[in-house]
Amino acid sequence: EIVLTQSPGTLSLSPGERATLSCRASQSVTSSYLAWYQQKPGQAPRLLIYGASTRATGIPDRFSGSGSGTDFTLTISRLEPEDFAVYYCQQYGGSPLITFGQGTRLEIK
Amino acid sequence: QLQLQESGPGLVKPSETLSLTCTVSGGSISSSPYYWGWIRQPPGKGLEWIGSIYYGGSTNYNPSLKSRVTISVDTSKNQFSLKLSSVTAADTAVYYCARLSGYGVRSDYWGQGTLVTVSS
Repeated sequence: EIVLTQSPGTLSLSPGERATLSCRASQSVTSSYLAWYQQKPGQAPRLLIYGASTRATGIPDRFSGSGSGTDFTLTISRLEPEDFAVYYCQQYGGSPLITFGQGTRLEIK
Repeated sequence: QLQLQESGPGLVKPSETLSLTCTVSGGSISSSPYYWGWIRQPPGKGLEWIGSIYYGGSTNYNPSLKSRVTISVDTSKNQFSLKLSSVTAADTAVYYCARLSGYGVRSDYWGQGTLVTVSS
């Protein structure tokens, strides 16, 4: 099983600051198969990034993804109030076919 | 605009079968390159993929649930369904249906989710 470990568990920042979220895989993940989601309370997750670095439709360019192999990063260049949420990384291709990280909670400092 | 909507009982008794249906509107369930899947989230916890289906009937299941899960598709109704047998309290969760694009790689459209509680 490919385990995705996200860090930190909670990130406390202020609007305008830069956020860097990490996702580390227990085995190498094909970059094409790494995605990031944002989830706000009471809502379904929303696809932000796929293919490790491609923004999904309608996603602002302050969101960017990078990485390869076992280490992937989601960066939010300048935090807006609406960005405070929980973020999940997800891989495809291992066993189980799809797994998610445990999430990083981004909270207002 | 594609929309997905889950429906089914919100309360299921232990040992019984959980049954949910996802109705897709604004697009065809028979289009490529999409799979259609179920993902769940226990209260206050993270996301768990349950399984996915292609309109032609090809399925993939999470091995941890495979013995209890059946996902099926009805293209005439533009719906797909989940059955999870022998449920316990550990199956209490918000269940989401989703479209998985790139032949099942990523979930780009989600339903709003439905809470299913397992309790007697």
